[in-house]
Amino acid sequence: AQSVTQLDSQVPVFEEAPVELRCNYSSSVSVYLFWYVQYPNQGLQLLLKYLSGSTLVKGINGFEAEFNKSQTSFHLRKPSVHISDTAEYFCAVFGGFKTIFGAGTRLFVKA
Amino acid sequence: NAGVTQTPKFRVLKTGQSMTLLCAQDMNHEYMYWYRQDPGMGLRLIHYSVGEGTTAKGEVPDGYNVSRLKKQNFLLGLESAAPSQTSVYFCASKSLEGHSYNEQFFGPGTRLTVL
Repeated sequence: AQSVTQLDSQVPVFEEAPVELRCNYSSSVSVYLFWYVQYPNQGLQLLLKYLSGSTLVKGINGFEAEFNKSQTSFHLRKPSVHISDTAEYFCAVFGGFKTIFGAGTRLFVKA
Repeated sequence: NAGVTQTPKFRVLKTGQSMTLLCAQDMNHEYMYWYRQDPGMGLRLIHYSVGEGTTAKGEVPDGYNVSRLKKQNFLLGLESAAPSQTSVYFCASKSLEGHSYNEQFFGPGTRLTVL
């Protein structure tokens, strides 16, 4: 069975600072990993995904994530955040025909 | 393309009332999903469908029914609403073209309050 743990429920950060949102997963089958973003009062949209190949994945809006198989992690990073990055971020794992979402991390970017 | 649309956007029900949430997608996707989102719990799968005329239970199916009579529509029904069903409901769809692990496309959500 798959599971996803997002280690931080809220992350406050100042504008232009770097940020890392942490995600750990467990799975007994090959996994495909996703990060989705949810802006206030909107649905989720795909930020980036890891399917295979290079462990460093680049997504939209300057975000990137690194797949670490030995640590079963897929942390999301951005070197310099903007106010507009304030949103909730969900890590998800697909494997065995199901997508499992983490509980979400709320990113607050302060001026 | 409108993508995934949901009707209504907001609804307030009294305990025991019934209602149907409509999800429509214009991307010709095979898979469709209904999730509920509650604070601190992420998204939990209620029911899903792998094609027209088929449905299956997800993680939290109790108190809900679904139907997929047409490929583009996926209906979620609450026969007798309970306060525990107060939540934000999201519909999503996914294409099987190419790979089963394609991304899901989400609707804007329906905010339901049951008094």
